[in-house]
Amino acid sequence: DTEVTQTPKHLVMGMTNKKSLKCEQHMGHRAMYWYKQKAKKPPELMFVYSYEKLSINESVPSRFSPECPNSSLLNLHLHALQPEDSALYLCASSQLHPGTGDGYTFGSGTRLTVV
Amino acid sequence: AQTVTQSQPEMSVQEAETVTLSCTYDTSESDYYLFWYKQPPSRQMILVIRQEAYKQQNATENRFSVNFQKAAKSFSLKISDSQLGDAAMYFCAYRREYGNKLVFGAGTILRVKS
Repeated sequence: DTEVTQTPKHLVMGMTNKKSLKCEQHMGHRAMYWYKQKAKKPPELMFVYSYEKLSINESVPSRFSPECPNSSLLNLHLHALQPEDSALYLCASSQLHPGTGDGYTFGSGTRLTVV
Repeated sequence: AQTVTQSQPEMSVQEAETVTLSCTYDTSESDYYLFWYKQPPSRQMILVIRQEAYKQQNATENRFSVNFQKAAKSFSLKISDSQLGDAAMYFCAYRREYGNKLVFGAGTILRVKS
């Protein structure tokens, strides 16, 4: 299995809702990532997990809460989002050191719309 | 901090022709990795090609090749025999040897004309 699977593919939520994005990989990668991407812009790193522990938080607002239950799963819990949070959310995974792998493997993303 | 610059917001190429996308980067590190990713309208980021900084030989993957100039900190992507399926946003990216952070350039939209 050489894929990163993200669910759901599309999500519309109100500003008072709570929802979660899910990401799964079975490549044995020990680093997992959340990125946010606006249209025609590069992905912006949000969080990095290494060995299931949060290693990088790029000053993301607390309304985004990541969770890594095990080495194959990564969640992003959403609460009280703002319309400007509407974006494509990409999950990725990789070996911890690039020399042992082929770079990041990305999922196809969740298109989030906050209304 | 490392930065990656793609100076061409958009490029066009005729089908079957060759096109080169530019990328420059800034780093004080000596060991690192460079990547080109393709993102078609389907949204999935796909790894096109990868280059280790310690390798002098330029990487090649079928119709895709790079011109890696370490001293000039330049990493361009050449696409030969362009196909309609090559139309996408292309991102150049940098990663330190022992870092987990992938730094992206702003991207280049490639249009392929039939």
